[in-house]
Amino acid sequence: ETGVTQTPRHLVMGMTNKKSLKCEQHLGHNAMYWYKQSAKKPLELMFVYSLEERVENNSVPSRFSPECPNSSHLFLHLHTLQPEDSALYLCASSQDLAGPLLEKLFFGSGTQLSVL
Amino acid sequence: QKEVEQDPGPLSVPEGAIVSLNCTYSNSAFQYFMWYRQYSRKGPELLMYTYSSGNKEDGRFTAQVDKSSKYISLFIRDSQPSDSATYLCAMSADRGSTLGRLYFGRGTQLTVWP
Repeated sequence: ETGVTQTPRHLVMGMTNKKSLKCEQHLGHNAMYWYKQSAKKPLELMFVYSLEERVENNSVPSRFSPECPNSSHLFLHLHTLQPEDSALYLCASSQDLAGPLLEKLFFGSGTQLSVL
Repeated sequence: QKEVEQDPGPLSVPEGAIVSLNCTYSNSAFQYFMWYRQYSRKGPELLMYTYSSGNKEDGRFTAQVDKSSKYISLFIRDSQPSDSATYLCAMSADRGSTLGRLYFGRGTQLTVWP
């Protein structure tokens, strides 16, 4: 177990639904991330939070809305999604934002999302 | 042109084989190179990392970087069925900024059969 827990593991939703993905890290880290992993495509960074403040938003459509109420929890609120949003959504955390060799990313197991 | 190119495979080898996984990249500013391993239905986990050119060895795994060719490799010696996973390369130009500036390859799916 990596210390990063994501729920639910699987989610099927219609295009008019509203749902939320949850991520919790038990590692005492200060930075949390949402990544999107589509079949045969590279991991795409969506959002970065450091100490509960959003520090990066990679031109993600507004139908994805993140929330970080504290340094241990991260949510991704979903509404009016499109079928092309179907993917594995991964949460990750790191101690801080110091850089790729100083900080190790710990990933959760992801939420497999299907939009019908 | 994609920042990082990685053949998605799939790659299937017998147990004990030497496996070579590769990525090419276009951005000459990349200096930090990583390999992540992702088991089925799990998130990626950092396997190895290197800075600039050269080799790094860790047990059965060797990471190699050739910056002149913009080419990185991961070698797995004496491959085991437990090595069956998707291997993602990742790289970055930044040391002091957010991990968000990591560029990932698509991942290569590896199966090692007994």
